Amino acid sequence: DAMVIQNPRYQVTQFGKPVTLSCSQTLNHNVMYWYQQKSSQAPKLLFHYYDKDFNNEADTPDNFQSRRPNTSFCFLDIRSPGLGDAAMYLCATSRGGRVADTQYFGPGTRLTVL
Amino acid sequence: DQQVKQNSPSLSVQEGRISILNCDYTNSMFDYFLWYKKYPAEGPTFLISISSIKDKNEDGRFTVFLNKSAKHLSLHIVPSQPGDSAVYFCAASARNSGGSNYKLTFGKGTLLTVNP
Repeated sequence: DAMVIQNPRYQVTQFGKPVTLSCSQTLNHNVMYWYQQKSSQAPKLLFHYYDKDFNNEADTPDNFQSRRPNTSFCFLDIRSPGLGDAAMYLCATSRGGRVADTQYFGPGTRLTVL
Repeated sequence: DQQVKQNSPSLSVQEGRISILNCDYTNSMFDYFLWYKKYPAEGPTFLISISSIKDKNEDGRFTVFLNKSAKHLSLHIVPSQPGDSAVYFCAASARNSGGSNYKLTFGKGTLLTVNP
């Protein structure tokens, strides 16, 4: 089945210790997104890649970076995690293009910062 | 400023009855609307969508209604089943500022509980 996969599902890191979250997709979609979701809040878009073009949201902290080495994979790097970065991180994909379309989400990575 | 609002944090319904989840939006540039369902510790699962050129879309037990003049959409689930118990997110799509793609804006979600 075509899908969006996130690894790991649960990640524990220490305050200030860099961490990388991984997302892969078998949908062959052009666009990959990273969202942050905190408890009882709406998912918040951090950035997205349209093919190799990186689009950062204006209010995404510099502490968050992303890489997309190929169509299938996208990584979220948190350079110096703070306690406030503890959240669920969701990866999503869509075909992209000139018509609005559906985003498909992975299961998420729950990040804990100690 | 919340552009997509789900004003009911929770809703409780009896099995077999209708569940109605509501969503309001403020941005008239939104042109595609989606509902997602989310179980604890899982990612959102796409449920149903509607284009701004339509006022109704139906898929089995799920129907979404769009009232553009009121900037309001609703999701109807008939009949409701205990397995429908989850958080439901309303999302709206508009072009990003660069115009190259669409981005979603989510509401905060409504927790639906369907009681047997």
